[in-house]
Parts: sequence; C-alpha cells; structure tokens
Amino acid sequence: RKEVEQDPGPFNVPEGATVAFNCTYSNSASQSFFWYRQDCRKEPKLLMSVYSSGNEDGRFTAQLNRASQYISLLIRDSKLSDSATYLCVVPSGAGGTSYGKLTFGQGTILTVHP
Amino acid sequence: GAGVSQTPSNKVTEKGKYVELRCDPISGHTALYWYRQSLGQGPEFLIYFQGTGAADDSGLPNDRFFAVRPEGSVSTLKIQRTERGDSAVYLCASSLSPAGLTDTQYFGPGTRLTVL
Repeated sequence: RKEVEQDPGPFNVPEGATVAFNCTYSNSASQSFFWYRQDCRKEPKLLMSVYSSGNEDGRFTAQLNRASQYISLLIRDSKLSDSATYLCVVPSGAGGTSYGKLTFGQGTILTVHP
Repeated sequence: GAGVSQTPSNKVTEKGKYVELRCDPISGHTALYWYRQSLGQGPEFLIYFQGTGAADDSGLPNDRFFAVRPEGSVSTLKIQRTERGDSAVYLCASSLSPAGLTDTQYFGPGTRLTVL
C-alpha cells in the first residue's frame, strides 16, 4: 500500500458544485494531516491542517477518520479559482508529527468550468 | 515578508554535467527541506536540515546527490553526473521549527531542471 494514496482525477465540475476528494494513508501513527493546493507550474501552498476529527474554513471542510486512515476534503460552491491540484500530505517524521519529512499524495486535479 | 527563494528558476544541462541548485529560506526558519517533483506526481522528500546538519537524508536517491547548509541559512543541492531521469522540479521549503503539530512548511517556486 502506498504511504499516501489519492484519486488523481481529473474532476471536472461546474461552478457552484460541491466536490469531495479522498485520501488514504498507511502510517497509523500520524497525528496531523494537511491539504496543500498547487496551481499549474507553481509551488504547493498550505490550504488546511487537520489535527482532530476535522476542520472547516469557509467553503472548505477537511475530515479525518483515524480508524479507517482516511482523510477527505470537501469544497462547496466551487469557484473557477478553485481549479488546481489538491495534494494530501501526511508527516512521516518521528511520532507522526510534522517533524521533518512530509509524504505527499499524487494529487487530485480539479477543474471548475463556467 | 520575503518567502523562500530559489535560483535558478530554470536549469538546462547536458547528461553527465554537475549542477548546483540554491535555496534561500525564510529569515529565521531553522528547518529547511528539499523535495523533488516529477510531472504528474506529488513532491517527493529528499533531505531535511535542522540548522547546519542534515537531520534526515533518507530521500536522496543515490550518492550523486548531496546537499549542504554551512551557515544554517542558505542551502545548496548538488547533483553530480546528471542523468536524464534527474529532470524534475526541485522544491525547497522552510519552517520555523521542525517540532510541533502546528509547524508549516513554506515552499519556494522551485528550480526546473532539464537534463538533455
């Protein structure tokens, strides 16, 4: 099993749609998780952090299921500007904290069209 | 304030040549990371520095790759005898401190390396 696995998509959705991405991870000791956003030919940027069961920030909701080792990202009311690649990220350092190494999923491509 | 900067932004070299990629982290960040991203993939960890020392170099693919951070700030990733398979975007990131759940890694724009 890959350390971090994502559905690569692509997801093509109309403006205003709700879309959800899933991610599974293999390191059961991981305690924190991240979703990064990466625009075409740009660097990854932190979108959300998840430390407990979930986190919500405006139109974005991240949920964590530790028993199933599963993380999701939900985007409501999609905007054209949400078009990007969404990377699921799990720390692989000691104790599963953000110490050192991050392991990235392959990324899920989202295209929001008018 | 200034973010992570990387130079050059693009580097084209020939197979077998030596290249150096530079990373200037955010001022005051003690931790520095190098990742490599191939087309269609997520970034892949190479090496992590805490201060001047390499705390984890488990991601370096082989001994052709080496990185230094002599004064605990700027870092250089060095690749000897480049191969076509080394072509990728090399990303540098820095964080305030390596420890703690709230630590965030901030990425630079990357260096796009093409080996012909």
